[in-house]
Amino acid sequence: GAGVSQTPSNKVTEKGKYVELRCDPISGHTALYWYRQSLGQGPEFLIYFQGTGAADDSGLPNDRFFAVRPEGSVSTLKIQRTERGDSAVYLCASSAGGPYNEQFFGPGTRLTVL
Amino acid sequence: RKEVEQDPGPFNVPEGATVAFNCTYSNSASQSFFWYRQDCRKEPKLLMSVYSSGNEDGRFTAQLNRASQYISLLIRDSKLSDSATYLCVVNYDFGNEKLTFGTGTRLTIIP
Repeated sequence: GAGVSQTPSNKVTEKGKYVELRCDPISGHTALYWYRQSLGQGPEFLIYFQGTGAADDSGLPNDRFFAVRPEGSVSTLKIQRTERGDSAVYLCASSAGGPYNEQFFGPGTRLTVL
Repeated sequence: RKEVEQDPGPFNVPEGATVAFNCTYSNSASQSFFWYRQDCRKEPKLLMSVYSSGNEDGRFTAQLNRASQYISLLIRDSKLSDSATYLCVVNYDFGNEKLTFGTGTRLTIIP
């Protein structure tokens, strides 16, 4: 079956602009996660959803970052007033839920802020 | 101190050799443990979960030492296709599913 998909695969924007990153999870997966990976680092947790609600958003770095999952499937990560430090690969993952269930990752969106 | 620490490497190992990675974690309340594999410019993929009793999957063996708070991964008879970055991953709370990743250990198998 289809895996997790993310669009766009690459996004180049200018400092101060607004961007939206989309994630389509595996069908039927109730849990959806966003991570951010900088060069030479492991993925860093941002937020996760159980259904439509954000179960934990403690990893969002500041109020410029926001994510939604209005129908419990597709999720959008929104970044306002982008800064050069936001440049990274943004990874989305989904799972059937629970700490022992495998999280399946999408290919990521590479965001570059000029 | 980082929550999950790994030696970033790189480890350059001849084909057929055995290689071992260690990882330490700081939160003694950690609940579940994993090794993920990440190929260059690709997404992480689960390699194996790590159980208290230790577990083996083919050429790969994972061990957990809760008392010393470290996790290990052993790869026997290494193949060229094992070249990748290996990420040590911890989940701290049964009620919270977020994963905490180490920086990863880069492995290159040399023909």
